Amino acid sequence: AQRVTQPEKLLSVFKGAPVELKCNYSYSGSPELFWYVQYSRQRLQLLLRHISRESIKGFTADLNKGETSFHLKKPFAQEEDSAMYYCALSQMNRDDKIIFGKGTRLHILP
Amino acid sequence: EAGVAQSPRYKIIEKRQSVAFWCNPISGHATLYWYQQILGQGPKLLIQFQNNGVVDDSQLPKDRFSAERLKGVDSTLKIQPAKLEDSAVYLCASSLGGGRSYEQYFGPGTRLTVT
Repeated sequence: AQRVTQPEKLLSVFKGAPVELKCNYSYSGSPELFWYVQYSRQRLQLLLRHISRESIKGFTADLNKGETSFHLKKPFAQEEDSAMYYCALSQMNRDDKIIFGKGTRLHILP
Repeated sequence: EAGVAQSPRYKIIEKRQSVAFWCNPISGHATLYWYQQILGQGPKLLIQFQNNGVVDDSQLPKDRFSAERLKGVDSTLKIQPAKLEDSAVYLCASSLGGGRSYEQYFGPGTRLTVT
C-alpha cells in the first residue's frame, strides 16, 4: 500500500541553522514525490517536486530510492520558512492522485 | 489567473444536520479533488473528478457524503447527516489533469464544526 511517513510533528530550528525535514515513503511502483507548504493564513501550495530537480526558496530534496526517502533540506533557515510542510506521493503518469503525509510544523527560532 | 474558489469559508452545524460546500476550480482544469483535513493530519482524498466523471471515490463515506460535478466545472460536496467526527477543513483542489501528476492548486478551504 502507498504510504508517506513524516516522523516529526514539530521541528524547531534556530535562524541560520540547517534544516532537514524527513519524509519516507512506501510504494511498489515508480513514485513521483512532492513537498507542499502551507504558510500561516495561506493556501496549501506546491514547494517542489523531485522530477524538477530545482531549488525553491533555498530548499532542495533528493529522491533516494534505496532508502525510500525524500528529505527536504535547506542550509540556512530563515524566519519566513516557518510553516507546515507536507510530503506527498503520486503514481508517475497515472491518475494524478496524491497521498499526503501528516505534515511537519517547522518553527524557526530567532 | 484566479485561484480555486470555495464557499462558505466557515460553517457550524449541529450533528444530524446537512451541509453543502461549493468549489469553483481554475478555468481549464480538468481534474478536481475534494480533501478532508482533520486537525493534526494531512489532507485525505475524498473524491477525484476528471471533467464530470468520478476517477476515485474509494475513501468517500457514501452513506452520508455525496459530491457532483455535473457540467465538468464547479462542484458541490454534501454531508447528510453530519456527525461530530466530520469536523474538519474541507479542501478543494484542481489540476490540469491527464494522468501526468500535474501540480494541484488548492482553495482556501471550508472549516466545518459539528456540535
